Parts: sequence; structure tokens; C-alpha cells
Amino acid sequence: EPEVTQTPSHQVTQMGQEVILRCVPISNHLYFYWYRQILGQKVEFLVSFYNNEISEKSEIFDDQFSVERPDGSNFTLKIRSTKLEDSAMYFCASKNDGETQPQHFGDGTRLSIL
Amino acid sequence: AQSVAQPEDQVNVAEGNPLTVKCTYSVSGNPYLFWYVQYPNRGLQFLLKYITGDNLVKGSYGFEAEFNKSQTSFHLKKPSALVSDSALYFCAVRAGSGGYNKLIFGAGTRLAVHP
Repeated sequence: EPEVTQTPSHQVTQMGQEVILRCVPISNHLYFYWYRQILGQKVEFLVSFYNNEISEKSEIFDDQFSVERPDGSNFTLKIRSTKLEDSAMYFCASKNDGETQPQHFGDGTRLSIL
Repeated sequence: AQSVAQPEDQVNVAEGNPLTVKCTYSVSGNPYLFWYVQYPNRGLQFLLKYITGDNLVKGSYGFEAEFNKSQTSFHLKKPSALVSDSALYFCAVRAGSGGYNKLIFGAGTRLAVHP
């Protein structure tokens, strides 16, 4: 069964550095998402992406964050000038066309900011 | 605003017994509801969804969920629990209309099935 894949599985970065989290969504999916889960807290929506543009973003997704689909397969989340509070598990998800289709999630990237 | 509540942090059940993991929701309009399971060091795995139709929805691994509109609930059930069902379970509601819309998750319920 096709899967969403995320790399790396764990990223350790110094505060203030830039980090890029990578995702390969399921190949025929059209909608892409990033969520994050701070340790012990809820899974929170960050951003949705469709037709090469952001569809919706949360208040968490400020100017520090950006997303890109640089080619037909990858979907990236860039965090500029990372802060300690950016430490979390970041999940990528993708969804096929159709309102009732479920989102499929990758295994996540654990981001640790030192 | 849409929201999801999972009132139990943890549910303990003996193997072979039925299990229920509770979820209530608050949405405007018709709810699109989902259950996901998270095993250690893994992502969220889709279990089942309610969109419309029968109030009892069947999903993966023998799980089912009962939609109750009057009680705004969508409880996850399984007739006979397995030790391998032990995991973190998340209820989610789709926010708004449109194909791209985000999911809003509950806080999660940890299910522990004891031999």
C-alpha cells in the first residue's frame, strides 16, 4: 500500500539555524498538509497546500515557516531561524481528490532544537 | 468553532473484552469524523470515517464506531480487544467544507490492553 514518507526521522539543530523537513506524499494525491505535535500535546494543523499554493494556514504558521513543492514528488517545510519552542514531531499528510477522502500521514520527523 | 473532546486520557481493558474509546465533537453543519491510531514512533494511521449514512461505521482491524447525532458523539468500539491494539487513538473532525480542509484532533486516548 502506498505510503507518505518523511525524512529525516530525527533532526537535531542549533537554535537560530534553518531546517528543511522533507516529505514524499502518495503519488496521485492532490492535497498536502503539515501538522505538528509538541510532546504530550495535541496534533495541531500548520498548513494545507493545493494546486501549488497554500490553501489555509494556522496562526502558528508565521513568517518563520514556508512550504514548497519543488518538483512533482516532494513537499517540504522550511523553518527559518528555529526557536526552542519549535521542538516537536512534524507530520506530513496527503489526500486524494474528494471531500470524503481521509488524510494519510507519514511517520513524522522529530525536530529537536538545542 | 469546531472542536473534538476525548474525555479519557487512558482506557484499560483486558484482552478479549469489548473496548470503547469515547469522542464528542462540536461542529457547524454536517460532521465528517475520523479515527486514527498511532503506534510508538509511527505516524497516524487511518482507521475509519463517518461521512453520512449508517450510524455504525466499520473500519480496519475489527474496529467500528458509532455516530450519535443527538449526543454529538463518535465512540470507537471493538467487540474483543487484542494486546496488539494497545496504542494512542485520536478522534478528528474535518473543519469546514472543501477538499483541502484541515483536521482538528482530540487530545488522544491511550488504550492499554492487558493479557
